[in-house]
Amino acid sequence: GESVGLHLPTLSVQEGDNSIINCAYSNSASDYFIWYKQESGKGPQFIIDIRSNMDKRQGQRVTVLLNKTVKHLSLQIAATQPGDSAVYFCAESFYNTDKLIFGTGTRLQVFP
Amino acid sequence: DVKVTQSSRYLVKRTGEKVFLECVQDMDHENMFWYRQDPGLGLRLIYFSYDVKMKEKGDIPEGYSVSREKKERFSLILESASTNQTSMYLCASSSRTGTNEKLFFGSGTQLSVL
Repeated sequence: GESVGLHLPTLSVQEGDNSIINCAYSNSASDYFIWYKQESGKGPQFIIDIRSNMDKRQGQRVTVLLNKTVKHLSLQIAATQPGDSAVYFCAESFYNTDKLIFGTGTRLQVFP
Repeated sequence: DVKVTQSSRYLVKRTGEKVFLECVQDMDHENMFWYRQDPGLGLRLIYFSYDVKMKEKGDIPEGYSVSREKKERFSLILESASTNQTSMYLCASSSRTGTNEKLFFGSGTQLSVL
């Protein structure tokens, strides 16, 4: 079914703190997960991805954690900066379908 | 630098008009996608294509069609625009490597149907 929600969940953090954005995915058969960042007026930009044979992957200042037992994905951003303010989407894919199913997004607000 | 280009950033159309949204990618990607994005609903897949001349329905294809005559170009067509098609439209592409790969997105087209 289609989720209904006009207001994005919002995470407010202070500059320099670590941020954790959470995502619950729907399909236990999903084998590929990805995080995107979308700034105002722009298309989504790739941040980091992870396959189901891993439970953690690190990038530059970002870490993705995957818990397949509870179908949970999280994005950790270290030392959050004002430029990190954006909407963050998680997405899942399964059966090598090449299609991504997106979550509804979380808005990250960074204040000084 | 990889690029997905959508021809219009903003479009205003009237109810009943036929609307074409164009998307071009320069990465020689096999897969191309059209999503619409509405506040609080995330991105919803309209149509996608795995190759030239091929198309597959996504989750919300009603009221839309697509065309993929060339590998680099994927067009979204609104046969008769309606006000509930006012939305942000995002085109994306990805390579077909045998495993799932990330999508590269264009900047979007904000369509208003009056």
